[in-house]
Amino acid sequence: DTGVSQDPRHKITKRGQNVTFRCDPISEHNRLYWYRQTLGQGPEFLTYFQNEAQLEKSRLLSDRFSAERPKGSFSTLEIQRTEQGDSAMYLCASSMSETQYFGPGTRLLVL
Amino acid sequence: DQQVKQNSPSLSVQEGRISILNCDYTNSMFDYFLWYKKYPAEGPTFLISISSIKDKNEDGRFTVFLNKSAKHLSLHIVPSQPGDSAVYFCAAFLGGAQKLVFGQGTRLTINP
Repeated sequence: DTGVSQDPRHKITKRGQNVTFRCDPISEHNRLYWYRQTLGQGPEFLTYFQNEAQLEKSRLLSDRFSAERPKGSFSTLEIQRTEQGDSAMYLCASSMSETQYFGPGTRLLVL
Repeated sequence: DQQVKQNSPSLSVQEGRISILNCDYTNSMFDYFLWYKKYPAEGPTFLISISSIKDKNEDGRFTVFLNKSAKHLSLHIVPSQPGDSAVYFCAAFLGGAQKLVFGQGTRLTINP
């Protein structure tokens, strides 16, 4: 039984660089979510896909952030011109219902 | 505007005793509630959930209680075991936006 997977698990980058993260959901799940978690806080919603359609975006998702789910399977989250404030754990989740199942996350550190 | 609050940042319980974690919410539009457990450097793991039309759900050692009039839910773990030591997050599902809103988490430590 394969859960949600994310790649890479860790990323260190310099301010101003672009980074891209990948998420592979549980295969039969048509809903996919991205969240961001900073130290001492719970995960915060970023965006939601149903199949390939991006149906909801948080105001936290600035113009430098873009997410895609081109074939309704895996998803990518790109951050352009990274800033130190982007340092966080980026979590992906998938679901068929209200219960969302999370991947291990990608920890981003922007120097 | 913190719509889901876990007011206790930490809780310490003796092994074998009951652990009670609390959560309050403000938005009456939430229609489903979930508890997740998180270890360091891992993603949250789903534990148990409850629909807003129920007031109790039980799964083994874990029971979740929902008091809609007080906008309060709690997670009971009994008996507590050392492997239960982790950060626990309460989350509420907003059906319209299809998103989870999380509390800040409570770090549970089970002492032998």
